[in-house]
Amino acid sequence: AQTVTQSQPEMSVQEAETVTLSCTYDTSESDYYLFWYKQPPSRQMILVIRQEAYKQQNATENRFSVNFQKAAKSFSLKISDSQLGDAAMYFCALGDGANSKLTFGKGITLSVRP
Amino acid sequence: KAGVTQTPRYLIKTRGQQVTLSCSPISGHRSVSWYQQTPGQGLQFLFEYFSETQRNKGNFPGRFSGRQFSNSRSEMNVSTLELGDSALYLCASSLVRDWETQYFGPGTRLLVL
Repeated sequence: AQTVTQSQPEMSVQEAETVTLSCTYDTSESDYYLFWYKQPPSRQMILVIRQEAYKQQNATENRFSVNFQKAAKSFSLKISDSQLGDAAMYFCALGDGANSKLTFGKGITLSVRP
Repeated sequence: KAGVTQTPRYLIKTRGQQVTLSCSPISGHRSVSWYQQTPGQGLQFLFEYFSETQRNKGNFPGRFSGRQFSNSRSEMNVSTLELGDSALYLCASSLVRDWETQYFGPGTRLLVL
């Protein structure tokens, strides 16, 4: 069975500062994908970033980047130059190459202080 | 391109009733997945449809069912509603089954009284 663990339920960051959200996972699959999704108060799930397990290079999308440590099964999200609009719940998710099922972590609530 | 749409957005039902939720995927997307989100259990996978066939199913009772039409639109049905079925139901679509990013709709918030 696949598992995704987000051990920090809440985090807070000052506007313009950098914050890192942690995620660990477990899977027996060799072909898998990792995602970070953002869920603002509107409840719309928005894709933040995606990482293919076979790629060694860490994914980057503007102010968002990941630190993918395959051997440690760790997948953290770094948000640089935090903005008020980044305040939301962030979910780490794992998908394997065999099917379309996503396994989600419990999520972390990020607040941004002005 | 229009995003994933879900109808209705909000629904109130009473115990024992049944409910049908609808999901229209992004144009060209053929895979539709459904998830249930509750404060206690988080996000849980219900099932996935591709080319009108259920290809993957989560650990939910048989009261939860779904189907997909030839235009890739999908419906899920919950029969004999229980209080614990109150949740946000999210639909996600992707181009094909393996492996494209899933894009989510706004969800249907179901309240069972």
